[in-house]
Amino acid sequence: NAGVMQNPRHLVRRRGQEARLRCSPMKGHSHVYWYRQLPEEGLKFMVYLQKENIIDESGMPKERFSAEFPKEGPSILRIQQVVRGDSAAYFCASSAAGITDTQYFGPGTRLTVL
Amino acid sequence: EDKVVQSPLSLVVHEGDTVTLNCSYEVTNFRSLLWYKQEKKAPTFLFMLTSSGIEKKSGRLSSILDKKELFSILNITATQTGDSAVYLCAVEAASSNTGKLIFGQGTTLQVKP
Repeated sequence: NAGVMQNPRHLVRRRGQEARLRCSPMKGHSHVYWYRQLPEEGLKFMVYLQKENIIDESGMPKERFSAEFPKEGPSILRIQQVVRGDSAAYFCASSAAGITDTQYFGPGTRLTVL
Repeated sequence: EDKVVQSPLSLVVHEGDTVTLNCSYEVTNFRSLLWYKQEKKAPTFLFMLTSSGIEKKSGRLSSILDKKELFSILNITATQTGDSAVYLCAVEAASSNTGKLIFGQGTTLQVKP
């Protein structure tokens, strides 16, 4: 029973490039959450998606960041024109039912912007 | 603003010691509190607590929630070097209606041989 999968595990980008982070939820899970962990800080909620729908994007910066969870395939967090401040660990979590259901985390993608 | 505060921020103990990690919260319409263990990878789920005064236990780890005083503790007895990790506390607030978690800063535990 595979857990939450994220790839790549490490991503290096130069300023101005695009970063694409992928998350495959646990089997049977249709709720996906993205969190960001900046150095020396706790995890901060970014966006919550169900299949084909963005439910809550209140934690996501309004510019350069977007997320999707298509009917087929993984959820994708996309960061356009990356800046050094985007360097962080990005974690994806999935749950079966959303509200009051345990979220299981993936190993994260560590993004470094040069 | 909803917030979760953990203490201490870091802790160094020796194998065999017992540790208590604290988590206090201020959220609108509390729904649940979760503990995770984070090593150099995915945060691993430990406990979810929704009811006050009921202890959850798994091996040497246990946790209890006090909804009146708005805090939770995580106890680890007979610590081992493998317990070294960052312990994260997170709260789900009903006000969000989405299940998103609000995390504390984490407590970094180092267990020395």
